[in-house]
Amino acid sequence: AQTVTQSQPEMSVQEAETVTLSCTYDTSENNNYLFWYKQPPSRQMILVIRQEAYKQQNATENRFSVNFQKAAKSFSLKISDSQLGDTAMYFCAFVLYNFNKFYFGSGTKLNVKP
Amino acid sequence: EPEVTQTPSHQVTQMGQEVILRCVPISNHLYFYWYRQILGQKVEFLVSFYNNEISEKSEIFDDQFSVERPDGSNFTLKIRSTKLEDSAMYFCASSPESYNEQFFGPGTRLTVL
Repeated sequence: AQTVTQSQPEMSVQEAETVTLSCTYDTSENNNYLFWYKQPPSRQMILVIRQEAYKQQNATENRFSVNFQKAAKSFSLKISDSQLGDTAMYFCAFVLYNFNKFYFGSGTKLNVKP
Repeated sequence: EPEVTQTPSHQVTQMGQEVILRCVPISNHLYFYWYRQILGQKVEFLVSFYNNEISEKSEIFDDQFSVERPDGSNFTLKIRSTKLEDSAMYFCASSPESYNEQFFGPGTRLTVL
């Protein structure tokens, strides 16, 4: 079975500070792709960052970066210089290479405080 | 920038009624998906669709559900006889490749009374 675990239901961070959201996944497959999606109050799901599991280098997208630990099956998201607009639910997800299906975690609600 | 659209944004229906949720995926995408999110819970995969047929479906996607791509642009989810527990936000998504980023629509909130 494929599972995604986000152990932090809710987190808070002060504006301009750094926060890390954790995610672990469980699959016996080696070929997969990992994603972080953001869901603001408008409820639209927006891609934040993507990581190919076969790549050693951690993905970075402006203020967002991941710490991908393949052996530990850990895929955490670091948000630097947090902004009020980062307030949202964040979902970790992965897809297996030959399977047409995303697995989502339960989400972490991030509150950025002024 | 192309985007996935969904209609209606909110649908209210009586238990036992049929509903059809509509989606227009991004035009050059080949893979289409439906997800649901019960309020306060995680996003759950329902079904994926490629080459005019279902490629994957979850245990949630039982005989009450069906999907169709009737005209080459729309992608619909039909629930034949709605139950109270079908109340949720339903998201459509599309992707150019099966393992790549999925682009989500804004969702349809379904309320079953």
